[in-house]
Amino acid sequence: RKEVEQDPGPFNVPEGATVAFNCTYSNSASQSFFWYRQDCRKEPKLLMSVYSSGNEDGRFTAQLNRASQYISLLIRDSKLSDSATYLCVVILSGGYQKVTFGTGTKLQVIP
Amino acid sequence: DGGITQSPKYLFRKEGQNVTLSCEQNLNHDAMYWYRQDPGQGLRLIYYSQIVNDFQKGDIAEGYSVSREKKESFPLTVTSAQKNPTAFYLCATRQSSSYNEQFFGPGTRLTVL
Repeated sequence: RKEVEQDPGPFNVPEGATVAFNCTYSNSASQSFFWYRQDCRKEPKLLMSVYSSGNEDGRFTAQLNRASQYISLLIRDSKLSDSATYLCVVILSGGYQKVTFGTGTKLQVIP
Repeated sequence: DGGITQSPKYLFRKEGQNVTLSCEQNLNHDAMYWYRQDPGQGLRLIYYSQIVNDFQKGDIAEGYSVSREKKESFPLTVTSAQKNPTAFYLCATRQSSSYNEQFFGPGTRLTVL
């Protein structure tokens, strides 16, 4: 089983739609969680951290379910500019703090 | 400007030549990482370093080498032993405490002809 798994998509959604991505992780020692956005041929950029209590930033909501070992990202009122690949990232506790990326979920918002 | 610099942005080399990719940071972060990304694929870890003069192999270290002589710098050498070096190379940094995220440089796109 992969350490971090994401549905690769693509997710093709119309403008204004709500879309949700899930990401599962296998190691219960995981302690930090993030969502990154990567545009085509660019570097990944931090979208938001994911906190245990859930957090929201404008149209974006991130949630963590430790019992089921998954994190989610909800995008409301999708814009054309949201088209990108969304990567989930999990960091383990411990001395090394291993950083593991999911392979990413591609989102295409259609006019 | 604060951040991570990778140079050059595009690099072309002939097969059989070693090439060194630069990564410099002024964020004062302890940890630095090199990733490789192939078209339509995720990031794969090549090497990482948590402190100066120490580095560890990642998942795909064969054919690559690194050094960490200064906190600010973590150059990656792609050697002729790397079978398929054409890829997008990303350098990242992170402050090593529990909840800190990684920051990425703009990447170097290497093409071996």
